[in-house]
Amino acid sequence: DQQVKQNSPSLSVQEGRISILNCDYTNSMFDYFLWYKKYPAEGPTFLISISSIKDKNEDGRFTVFLNKSAKHLSLHIVPSQPGDSAVYFCAASGMNAGGTSYGKLTFGQGTILTVHP
Amino acid sequence: DGGITQSPKYLFRKEGQNVTLSCEQNLNHDAMYWYRQDPGQGLRLIYYSQIVNDFQKGDIAEGYSVSREKKESFPLTVTSAQKNPTAFYLCASSIFLHNEQFFGPGTRLTVL
Repeated sequence: DQQVKQNSPSLSVQEGRISILNCDYTNSMFDYFLWYKKYPAEGPTFLISISSIKDKNEDGRFTVFLNKSAKHLSLHIVPSQPGDSAVYFCAASGMNAGGTSYGKLTFGQGTILTVHP
Repeated sequence: DGGITQSPKYLFRKEGQNVTLSCEQNLNHDAMYWYRQDPGQGLRLIYYSQIVNDFQKGDIAEGYSVSREKKESFPLTVTSAQKNPTAFYLCASSIFLHNEQFFGPGTRLTVL
């Protein structure tokens, strides 16, 4: 049962254009979402996150949008650069009744982003 | 210079042998995690530990074992019971019950 899905295995974008990576989830208990970037043979590095009380979070060239009703989030990279070429994973976490994080992340399958010069 | 260390980077073992993967962190994080990544798949949680001397099974714990005797160390043993052990293994840590996890560089295990 894939609770977090990234339906596009790959995305190819020209340098300077916008990259949009999508992620869908099914578990309504998820209320915190993260995006990680991963290069081959390396560990993922944290990019940006969003809590379910927000619908948008920006950090430089990276913006994450959350649509709770559609259980959908997206990562926008503007402008895209060749160094952004990597695998991008979305991840989700839920809160327990006490309002603290479970601390467990559920990851999507990843999307390979290629930015052409 | 704080971070997470996994050793070795590449590991080869014969089928039927147990093997232990090392994970050490000096971030003073309470929680540590082990994930497995296979081609075309996301990261799947094997085991996690929120505090010393306590750990929980993740989604794919069968064939694996862990220990958490020290805050900074969380070794993973891949036993001969694991049917498909060849994979890329990632260790992570976080502040207690905090969402953002920090990852090590990974160990690629190949069972021949």
